[in-house]
Amino acid sequence: DTAVSQTPKYLVTQMGNDKSIKCEQNLGHDTMYWYKQDSKKFLKIMFSYNNKELIINETVPNRFSPKSPDKAHLNLHINSLELGDSAVYFCASSHNRERFSGYTFGSGTRLTVV
Amino acid sequence: AQRVTQPEKLLSVFKGAPVELKCNYSYSGSPELFWYVQYSRQRLQLLLRHISRESIKGFTADLNKGETSFHLKKPFAQEEDSAMYYCALGGNKLVFGAGTILRVKS
Repeated sequence: DTAVSQTPKYLVTQMGNDKSIKCEQNLGHDTMYWYKQDSKKFLKIMFSYNNKELIINETVPNRFSPKSPDKAHLNLHINSLELGDSAVYFCASSHNRERFSGYTFGSGTRLTVV
Repeated sequence: AQRVTQPEKLLSVFKGAPVELKCNYSYSGSPELFWYVQYSRQRLQLLLRHISRESIKGFTADLNKGETSFHLKKPFAQEEDSAMYYCALGGNKLVFGAGTILRVKS
């Protein structure tokens, strides 16, 4: 019974394409996040949504557009993919009232742009 | 600003040896600190929270506000502990250190 699920797990695509990654959580959390883990394993937050509202938008190219149709889903759409977008993208969620519980992460989407 | 520093990229120890993974933080507010572990090609899993002062898989971490540190320790390393360990600081967002790869050799 997966708490935070991402699809697809692997994505190989050509430069210039547009792709989406989906994320769903069944924990009843009200905040969701996208993180990028680069080839050096650095983890950096990209976006955060609270109850479908964007609350954190780090310095991310506007080719990346998050969409939250409801508080259980946060999808990531990427336009005009570039080689440098190759990374593992992790979705996560947390509960506002349980700050000290930490975040729950999905299993990641390994994106390879060729 | 929130900042987390993990000075060691790689820590290699023999099985049965003590382990200490260092973490220092910078934050003007009241810190919330965590250790996450990532086994090879898997998701990040929460290992420890400073608030709970628990021991998980033999690991402990104590928040030292004077030294702004939250080092992760284990008295006797096991081969299955080999993984990437991230220290993380919570505030309005969870900020991660660069991670330390722990390799436990037999």
